[in-house]
Amino acid sequence: NAGVTQTPKFQVLKTGQSMTLQCAQDMNHEYMSWYRQDPGMGLRLIHYSVGAGITDQGEVPNGYNVSRSTTEDFPLRLLSAAPSQTSVYFCASSFRGETQYFGPGTRLLVL
Amino acid sequence: SQQGEEDPQALSIQEGENATMNCSYKTSINNLQWYRQNSGRGLVHLILIRSNEREKHSGRLRVTLDTSKKSSSLLITASRAADTASYFCATARDSNYQLIWGAGTKLIIKP
Repeated sequence: NAGVTQTPKFQVLKTGQSMTLQCAQDMNHEYMSWYRQDPGMGLRLIHYSVGAGITDQGEVPNGYNVSRSTTEDFPLRLLSAAPSQTSVYFCASSFRGETQYFGPGTRLLVL
Repeated sequence: SQQGEEDPQALSIQEGENATMNCSYKTSINNLQWYRQNSGRGLVHLILIRSNEREKHSGRLRVTLDTSKKSSSLLITASRAADTASYFCATARDSNYQLIWGAGTKLIIKP
């Protein structure tokens, strides 16, 4: 099993550009989530999903969209990138929302 | 808003010594989880303790939970250089789906 995979590993955007961060898991987990991690802070939940077709907002959802058309994939879309979205983004999945398995992260720099 | 707060923010000890990190939280929880993050990588789950448990062990790890004080501690015994990492606590409330994270303790093990 590959576990949780994320692409790209690193991305540079200009303010106003849009992009999609990809996340996939092969563990048949129902629960998937997106976090951002900023220096000196813990993870903050952006969006999460409890199953295909079901998504909900987390603590910091503004500027991000998600969809969950399949159990395996949970992409995160930045609609119009801003410097404040410079961060490291982690995708995670879990079975029944307990132990979470994390991807390696995407480092995003918005200029 | 962050639920958990780790203490200390940073800890530097000699290899072979024990390391203790603390986590305090604000609201009632369903469970509390500890994760490790090596520099620049994704988080790895260490241990989960439920609100009706007081102590849990996993190898060299010992976690305690005091729900009356809303606090938890993580003890790593006989530390090794490979234990150098950041350690995060995360709390889950009734839904179990949303984890609230602390800012982490950075642990450095000196050879």
